[in-house]
Amino acid sequence: EPEVTQTPSHQVTQMGQEVILRCVPISNHLYFYWYRQILGQKVEFLVSFYNNEISEKSEIFDDQFSVERPDGSNFTLKIRSTKLEDSAMYFCASSIQRTENTEAFFGQGTRLTVV
Amino acid sequence: QKEVEQNSGPLSVPEGAIASLNCTYSDRGSQSFFWYRQYSGKSPELIMFIYSNGDKEDGRFTAQLNKASQYVSLLIRDSQPSDSATYLCAVNTGNEKLTFGTGTRLTIIP
Repeated sequence: EPEVTQTPSHQVTQMGQEVILRCVPISNHLYFYWYRQILGQKVEFLVSFYNNEISEKSEIFDDQFSVERPDGSNFTLKIRSTKLEDSAMYFCASSIQRTENTEAFFGQGTRLTVV
Repeated sequence: QKEVEQNSGPLSVPEGAIASLNCTYSDRGSQSFFWYRQYSGKSPELIMFIYSNGDKEDGRFTAQLNKASQYVSLLIRDSQPSDSATYLCAVNTGNEKLTFGTGTRLTIIP
């Protein structure tokens, strides 16, 4: 069964460092997302991406964050200068259409720990 | 602020019984509604989605939607210990954005 894959599963980084989280969405999906979940809290939307551009983003997704689809398969989230409060599970998701019309499937997540 | 509310639980249900999970949402314009299951430390796993008022059944799971009351629920029949997890209600509140509730922790008691 097709699935969204994320690497790495766990990333530890020092405060102020840049991190790149990687995702391979399901191959025929056109919409890509990043969500995060701080430990014990709700899943929060960060950004959606379609047709090689950001289509929607949340207040959390400030200038420290960026997304890119560098090739036909990968979708990345970059955090330029990590803060302690960026520690969370980051989930990539993809859907074949907009989630008004269809479901989004989540990857297994990357646990980011900023020390 | 578009909110999705769930009772955080824990909700304890005997094995074989029906588990009933509830969710309310504030944005009357919401169009699509999703139930995800999340085991501790794992990612959300889609169980069901529903767009139209009424019931939608898939195996042991039934989603119920009442847009007038801004209410969506999930029923799990013949509950199994493997159903023990946190159940997340998610609502499409923008073009592609899902807004999640805090989740209800469900424990099935053998």
